[in-house]
Amino acid sequence: NAGVTQTPKFQVLKTGQSMTLQCAQDMNHEYMSWYRQDPGMGLRLIHYSVGAGITDQGEVPNGYNVSRSTTEDFPLRLLSAAPSQTSVYFCASSYTGLLLETQYFGPGTRLLVL
Amino acid sequence: KNEVEQSPQNLTAQEGEFITINCSYSVGISALHWLQQHPGGGIVSLFMLSSGKKKHGRLIATINIQEKHSSLHITASHPRDSAVYICASFTGNQFYFGTGTSLTVIP
Repeated sequence: NAGVTQTPKFQVLKTGQSMTLQCAQDMNHEYMSWYRQDPGMGLRLIHYSVGAGITDQGEVPNGYNVSRSTTEDFPLRLLSAAPSQTSVYFCASSYTGLLLETQYFGPGTRLLVL
Repeated sequence: KNEVEQSPQNLTAQEGEFITINCSYSVGISALHWLQQHPGGGIVSLFMLSSGKKKHGRLIATINIQEKHSSLHITASHPRDSAVYICASFTGNQFYFGTGTSLTVIP
């Protein structure tokens, strides 16, 4: 199993540009989520999904869109990038999102918005 | 929102020392997770617990639901334990994370 994969590893954007961060898992997990990690802030939940076709907002959803058309993929879209979105983004997954399941994290995407 | 606080923020220890990292949270939770973030950035899950105590090798995690507090202990610390340790509360369908404790173990 490849586990949770994320692409790209690093990206530089200009303010106003759009892009999609890719996340895929091959473990047949129902629950997938996106987090951002900023210095001194800890990880914060952006959006999550409990299964294909179902998504919901987390703590910091503004400026981001998600969709879940398949169990494997959970892309995160930045429609109009802003410098405040400079961060490290992690995707994670687990079987069903229940409380005592192991969360598997991707390697992260480092995004710089100029 | 569940406020999660960790202490200390930074910790330096000599190899072999017993280490304790503390986590407190503000709202009743369904479960608490401990994660380890390696210097390269990768994050792995260490423990998930909703009550009592769990042990994996030299790592022990405890939780006191009434006091809204959890601790992560490392016995006989080793330089390879150097990492950032993060606690996360699971409430509803969402995780709330502490800011992490950066541990450095010196040989």
